[in-house]
Amino acid sequence: SQQGEEDPQALSIQEGENATMNCSYKTSINNLQWYRQNSGRGLVHLILIRSNEREKHSGRLRVTLDTSKKSSSLLITASRAADTASYFCARGYMTTDSWGKLQFGAGTQVVVTP
Amino acid sequence: DTEVTQTPKHLVMGMTNKKSLKCEQHMGHRAMYWYKQKAKKPPELMFVYSYEKLSINESVPSRFSPECPNSSLLNLHLHALQPEDSALYLCASSTGGQTNYGYTFGSGTRLTVV
Repeated sequence: SQQGEEDPQALSIQEGENATMNCSYKTSINNLQWYRQNSGRGLVHLILIRSNEREKHSGRLRVTLDTSKKSSSLLITASRAADTASYFCARGYMTTDSWGKLQFGAGTQVVVTP
Repeated sequence: DTEVTQTPKHLVMGMTNKKSLKCEQHMGHRAMYWYKQKAKKPPELMFVYSYEKLSINESVPSRFSPECPNSSLLNLHLHALQPEDSALYLCASSTGGQTNYGYTFGSGTRLTVV
């Protein structure tokens, strides 16, 4: 079952605006990862934030993590048409057998219009 | 080489056919994964191989049979599939069996079962 929930489900903005999407989870994490997927093809890893980190930056991306609220957010600043994609958060955690697993949230579909 | 290569990109097969999906990486990653993704849904984990051994099978029906011939190759053998198995099948790899690093995904095989 998918534990991650993302909101909004869809987001439409104009170029130059910022896009913010949120992710919530229900159980423990080792880390929280964000991925982008263009047109139903492969996913591209964007950023990983560990459970003991609160904020991380990569270029125009800013990710925050609040483990007390079990939530994370992804901010894309100064969006471009090329940022049009689906964005997924993924919960990285360890199973009881000590294997690593990555569980994806439902995703946010972002459309950036010129 | 920083890619995961999946072949074929598209596959149409009948319910009585036997086919195989292939995945290859040369990044020295020791964990490889198969995910299934239906339209407008997040990827769902099917199998995990860690150091060439099957470590996780997410209760996948036996008509899907994974194989890891060596540390660079991952196959998914398909037999007697159903139309509801039509989906995008994604292969991914990571540095190890933990989730401390992001996954590298291939661009997927779009499978249609007729």
